[in-house]
Amino acid sequence: DAGITQSPRYKITETGRQVTLMCHQTWSHSYMFWYRQDLGHGLRLIYYSAAADITDKGEVPDGYVVSRSKTENFPLTLESATRSQTSVYFCASRRSTNEQFFGPGTRLTVL
Amino acid sequence: TQLLEQSPQFLSIQEGENLTVYCNSSSVFSSLQWYRQEPGEGPVLLVTVVTGGEVKKLKRLTFQFGDARKDSSLHITAAQPGDTGLYLCAGENDYKLSFGAGTTVTVRA
Repeated sequence: DAGITQSPRYKITETGRQVTLMCHQTWSHSYMFWYRQDLGHGLRLIYYSAAADITDKGEVPDGYVVSRSKTENFPLTLESATRSQTSVYFCASRRSTNEQFFGPGTRLTVL
Repeated sequence: TQLLEQSPQFLSIQEGENLTVYCNSSSVFSSLQWYRQEPGEGPVLLVTVVTGGEVKKLKRLTFQFGDARKDSSLHITAAQPGDTGLYLCAGENDYKLSFGAGTTVTVRA
């Protein structure tokens, strides 16, 4: 099915562990984005990518790493998870008409 | 610091009433987008406004973009329980979106 998928949907981890959140889109959109959503803050941009092998920092990039070896995949890695990274993470891709399509989100809890 | 300020943060109204959500910023945006988000799901685009002063209507929803392209409003006429959700405004510049904190709308039957 066409669309944007995220995995896992739920993840519980411990402080200091490495965690990778996966994002896959089937439209071949050039731009992809990672956001985190916390109460009272709306969505904040973590990293974005204009194309394969081109990534750049957003508003809150500290503690996160991204890669984009293929157009359709845009994984987000927390190198050493902290409690402050407990959040809901959304991946999105952008159509040429500037609409962003969001995945269903990954709810991450860091204990 | 939030680039876009949304107000009110919460809104609870009776079915059939009207409501307005505001989105204000000191920054100019190339476009302003409104999204609606249901619990457990990602945001879904409702509308994009591009031109200063633009008004767009989507059934009972009316969206306005300020003349200076810094602010916007969403007006819902005769709200229904199905309009319940989190409404988010987002300003776009250089392909990136800056979101407001959102307005949680509850329409009581």
